[in-house]
Amino acid sequence: QSTLTQPASLSGSPGQSITISCTGTNSDVGAYNFVSWYHQSPGKAPKLIIYDVSDRPSGVSNRFSGSKSGNTASLTISGLQAEDEGDYSCNSYTTSRTWVFGGGTKLTVL
Amino acid sequence: QITLKESGPTLVKPTQTLTLTCTVSGFSISTSGAGVGWIRQPPGKALEWLALIYSGGDERYSPSLKSRVTITKDASKNQVFLTMTDMDPVDTGTYYCAQETGWGRPLGFGSWGQGTLVAVSS
Repeated sequence: QSTLTQPASLSGSPGQSITISCTGTNSDVGAYNFVSWYHQSPGKAPKLIIYDVSDRPSGVSNRFSGSKSGNTASLTISGLQAEDEGDYSCNSYTTSRTWVFGGGTKLTVL
Repeated sequence: QITLKESGPTLVKPTQTLTLTCTVSGFSISTSGAGVGWIRQPPGKALEWLALIYSGGDERYSPSLKSRVTITKDASKNQVFLTMTDMDPVDTGTYYCAQETGWGRPLGFGSWGQGTLVAVSS
């Protein structure tokens, strides 16, 4: 299984909205709605922010939203804040009953 | 409150076997649907899923590492173990254990350990 494809880096100004894409295949992202997203600050463990494509765990800001079309999932962050900086990774369950992560996107808040 | 904590050697030599322990609290790994997995991250690189084990003993492995990785558990100690053979410097990185949060549905990894940094060097 190959790594899901994400842009290496993105940037945005406070208050703006940005969208991170995550492209896979019809054996992973396109196969199920089992796509999750993680935010990781430097030196910290990843934190789950979206599961089941678009659901948020309790306590996660509603500024984070997820969607999927075909083999591409997307994470949108609205009203960018300085605390949103860090690395974002997508993850998908696969038809082989395994999991695969994306290559990660480094988000900079200007 | 669910917590996971990784432990094991910080340095292994090339060709050696690595064994890591994940000690879980806040839920029983024997509870139906409970899943605990291992994920690693080389310095400055992406997360890589390695393996996962469910309460019923169902084991899942990354196809690229299946020949080198074994995941096991000790329910009496609420611990999950990762064994990786024939270690190489490219295996250097932070190793995390994490709870698969769906209780049988693969919803994602909701709780993570702090990670343990493993270096492979002679």
